[in-house]
Amino acid sequence: AQSVAQPEDQVNVAEGNPLTVKCTYSVSGNPYLFWYVQYPNRGLQFLLKYITGDNLVKGSYGFEAEFNKSQTSFHLKKPSALVSDSALYFCAVRERKDSSYKLIFGSGTRLLVRP
Amino acid sequence: EAGVTQFPSHSVIEKGQTVTLRCDPISGHDNLYWYRRVMGKEIKFLLHFVKESKQDESGMPNNRFLAERTGGTYSTLKVQPAELEDSGVYFCASSQAYTGELFFGEGSRLTVL
Repeated sequence: AQSVAQPEDQVNVAEGNPLTVKCTYSVSGNPYLFWYVQYPNRGLQFLLKYITGDNLVKGSYGFEAEFNKSQTSFHLKKPSALVSDSALYFCAVRERKDSSYKLIFGSGTRLLVRP
Repeated sequence: EAGVTQFPSHSVIEKGQTVTLRCDPISGHDNLYWYRRVMGKEIKFLLHFVKESKQDESGMPNNRFLAERTGGTYSTLKVQPAELEDSGVYFCASSQAYTGELFFGEGSRLTVL
């Protein structure tokens, strides 16, 4: 079965500094990886995905993620954090069962950007 | 275009009672998913509809949970009878294609006392 792990419950960073939210994966075959963000009292929003191609994937709100096959990681990054980036971030992997697809999510990482 | 809508946003019930959660997907989206997040843990898959058919219900915890999708449009998730461990946030998501990009509702928070 596919799985992802987010080793940090919370990440704290100062505004203007670079941020990294970590995710590692365990899959059989080629991974389809995703990042979603949840702002307070909102649903999850798609940020970016990796299917194939360039290891550096760019997404919404200035976020990017780096796919690293040797380290089985898909860390989310942003060069300069904003206070408004404070939210809950989820890494996910697509799993296929017969003709059905679903996303398997990690436990989430809370990002807190302080002014 | 309207997004995925869920109702109610919050429900507080006693153990043993019944609750029905509703999800209206984005119009035209054949795929509809139910997920649940229990306090601080991962978002767990419950089941997947394609139109009105259940494609994968491997995540349904037990037979106290019943999901339906009438005519391939909106979906309901009924919990009967509710137990304390059913508390959590229930998310619905929809997608048109198997691209993996799911569109989520804001969730229905269920509290069982």
